[in-house]
Amino acid sequence: KAGVTQTPRYLIKTRGQQVTLSCSPISGHRSVSWYQQTPGQGLQFLFEYFSETQRNKGNFPGRFSGRQFSNSRSEMNVSTLELGDSALYLCASSGTGTEIEQYFGPGTRLTVT
Amino acid sequence: AQSVTQLGSHVSVSEGALVLLRCNYSSSVPPYLFWYVQYPNQGLQLLLKYTTGATLVKGINGFEAEFKKSETSFHLTKPSAHMSDAAEYFCAVSHILTGGGNKLTFGTGTQLKVEL
Repeated sequence: KAGVTQTPRYLIKTRGQQVTLSCSPISGHRSVSWYQQTPGQGLQFLFEYFSETQRNKGNFPGRFSGRQFSNSRSEMNVSTLELGDSALYLCASSGTGTEIEQYFGPGTRLTVT
Repeated sequence: AQSVTQLGSHVSVSEGALVLLRCNYSSSVPPYLFWYVQYPNQGLQLLLKYTTGATLVKGINGFEAEFKKSETSFHLTKPSAHMSDAAEYFCAVSHILTGGGNKLTFGTGTQLKVEL
């Protein structure tokens, strides 16, 4: 089974721009979660999507948004980028039923200049 | 609220020596606990998990962890370190959310260095 894939792997953007990151979960997985990883704040939960609906949200401003498609692929969008948004953005997928472990993709490294 | 504390942001061991990475958790409900490893410029790889049942959990690459409720600990061990074990290790607790699904709350990570 192929793992979680994320595109692009690296991005450089300028303050004020917006960015869209993509995540394809493991085949059959319906839940996709997003995390932000920074040296200062560590790993923080952004949001989780399940069956095209945002089921849970972390404590991030509204500039961070996402969506999920019918094939379970997910995108996250960050608008009006700030320097502090520079981070590794990780996507994780998990299966249905009693499975709770999350499987992570390689991440997208976003640099805001 | 659930939280995780990893003692020691950097741990250095000799190749062939015991690896011990410490993790303590705080949870108001029976926890689901995980260890992940992250190699440079990569995502997180699941090493092992504890949900219920046997408190000694074996994972990949020779790692294991023991859930000790009385000590609220979930320390990660490996009998003999290998150079390829050098990486950052994260302990995490799963928080079941009211809307369904779960989120992971991570510790701050422990960087493991393996020396010849």
